[in-house]
Amino acid sequence: LAKTTQPISMDSYEGQEVNITCSHNNIATNDYITWYQQFPSQGPRFIIQGYKTKVTNEVASLFIPADRKSSTLSLPRVSLSDTAVYYCLVGTNSGYSTLTFGKGTMLLVSP
Amino acid sequence: GAVVSQHPSWVICKSGTSVKIECRSLDFQATTMFWYRQFPKQSLMLMATSNEGSKATYEQGVEKDKFLINHASLTLSTLTVTSAHPEDSSFYICSARLDYTDTQYFGPGTRLTVL
Repeated sequence: LAKTTQPISMDSYEGQEVNITCSHNNIATNDYITWYQQFPSQGPRFIIQGYKTKVTNEVASLFIPADRKSSTLSLPRVSLSDTAVYYCLVGTNSGYSTLTFGKGTMLLVSP
Repeated sequence: GAVVSQHPSWVICKSGTSVKIECRSLDFQATTMFWYRQFPKQSLMLMATSNEGSKATYEQGVEKDKFLINHASLTLSTLTVTSAHPEDSSFYICSARLDYTDTQYFGPGTRLTVL
């Protein structure tokens, strides 16, 4: 399984755009990139998944460069409720692999 | 869609007793479910992979006789912590994988406190 590296923590203010970058230098050809959000004492919540280029949904965008060795989760106009831990994971979409959670990025949004 | 529930959300038990935690996929079928454990300020650690109709696959260091897993249907997996001890106190989280993908949907977690 490809190992991921993320910043341990990030600080932001309400209304700002936040970009969290994840490195995955050993990503395999069949690997997808998935981001989860976790609030204290809750299970992780699926945010977004992508394979290449750009993916956008109602809560975030995921940017993946051509070499796929990194990815950036973009949260537009964050609010206090976006304060959480964000995990970047890579894995195949074959339905056979498991997820390995790294330490994640603790995002703190201040007023 | 893709909702996973867990029951109970929290439980307190005496040392030596057994506790059962249920994980249900409410609006989709999941051939495979997973059980994780998370200690305070740490990341999720995979304990075992639960496959419907077959034996669970445990991660290295996880005692299969202590953490009994049953996946009797495509929407229900149970984790039983047998002879619980204070060191088993943790946040237990299950997930259900959408078939033919690696996208896992997580339950809200169960806080286990063993006195």
